Amino acid sequence: KQEVTQIPAALSVPEGENLVLNCSFTDSAIYNLQWFRQDPGKGLTSLLLIQSSQREQTSGRLNASLDKSSGRSTLYIAASQPGDSATYLCAVYLVDQGGKLIFGQGTELSVKP
Amino acid sequence: DTAVSQTPKYLVTQMGNDKSIKCEQNLGHDTMYWYKQDSKKFLKIMFSYNNKELIINETVPNRFSPKSPDKAHLNLHINSLELGDSAVYFCASSHRTGHEQYFGPGTRLTVT
Repeated sequence: KQEVTQIPAALSVPEGENLVLNCSFTDSAIYNLQWFRQDPGKGLTSLLLIQSSQREQTSGRLNASLDKSSGRSTLYIAASQPGDSATYLCAVYLVDQGGKLIFGQGTELSVKP
Repeated sequence: DTAVSQTPKYLVTQMGNDKSIKCEQNLGHDTMYWYKQDSKKFLKIMFSYNNKELIINETVPNRFSPKSPDKAHLNLHINSLELGDSAVYFCASSHRTGHEQYFGPGTRLTVT
């Protein structure tokens, strides 16, 4: 059974810091991995999607890496800003189960001005 | 230009009632999903439809019945609501299974 774990559960940093959020999964037979952002009381916004054949994806100040063999992904946020404060969720797509997306519990990020 | 929309945004109802949540996507996607986010913020898939056909039914009580009248709509009907059904329900869509998923704003259901 696929399990997705995110560490840390919460993180507080001063503005301007570079930071790394971690995601691990137990079964490496994934189709892809997707990082989302969720603001309080809002829906999820897709940030980056990494195919299982890729090592990383970049969008602006965000860089996501994937090491499928070790079951790990990281989301790197450069020069953090107060507007980055949100919960970040990673999710893996399982091909052999009808395309099911399995979520981690999220990392709640707070960036202090 | 809302991509995935849900109605209503908030729903407060009493135990035993029947209620529906509607979802529409204007992205031209083939696949739609319902997720439940519990009080601990954990998101779990409930159902998935591809071209109006059910492809995932994740051991959800049969009080929950999804209905897809066409590719752009996936509604969720819940019978005999229970306290434990209180949660935020999210609809999502993707071009096809395995592709990037786009989420709606959520419907916060409170059962009293």
